Amino acid sequence: QVQLQESGPRLVKPSQTLSLTCTVSSGSIASGTSYWTWVRQPAGKGPVWIGRISAIGSTTYNPSLQSRVTLSLDTSNNQFSLKLTSVTAADTAVYYCATLPIQDGTAGWFDSWGQGTLVTVSA
Amino acid sequence: EIVMTQSPATLSVSPGERATLSCRASQSVSSNLAWYQQKPGQGPRLLIYGASTRATGIPARFSGSGSGTEFTLIISSLQSEDFAVYYCQQYNNWLPYTFGQGTKLEI
Repeated sequence: QVQLQESGPRLVKPSQTLSLTCTVSSGSIASGTSYWTWVRQPAGKGPVWIGRISAIGSTTYNPSLQSRVTLSLDTSNNQFSLKLTSVTAADTAVYYCATLPIQDGTAGWFDSWGQGTLVTVSA
Repeated sequence: EIVMTQSPATLSVSPGERATLSCRASQSVSSNLAWYQQKPGQGPRLLIYGASTRATGIPARFSGSGSGTEFTLIISSLQSEDFAVYYCQQYNNWLPYTFGQGTKLEI
């Protein structure tokens, strides 16, 4: 099973851009067997899916965040990244990277997760 | 967007007992439902997908059932390591994938 590790700044100022990277080990992001995704979880609440990116860089985003989110791949370093612009306090959450395995052409459940990183939006 | 509602919010049970957790979807999701377990400081762990298929390495005491809008996760004979928060997630109408608010299983 793949291993995932999030990294990036833990504190972001309001109106700035949140940037996180997920490093993948024990698997290749170019394999085409999974989508690479980001999920966030505000304190005491359920997870919220942010978006997914395929091995060829095709992206799909949660409509509620679409205008502010960009996912990208770095196949040379086996990493994928999240950028969220114009952040507010409402974006404070634990951010997870996770995998969506592709089976029979569809992908529905998240089978590997990182440990998560708490990002706080505050001046 | 499909809204997932879990009940109860908190369930108090004793080790060795059986726990029944419920999840309701705001519209039919067929059998496109997954369950996760989350412990403090950790990412969620996949337990069940396809409403009733256990993920790799998940003990047989975890079982899922249901289809359409009503789903159940049963944990028979609770072990100490089972006390955690459990989430359901639908992937029928996957834009977006949506999760429930969780059920905390406590002693």
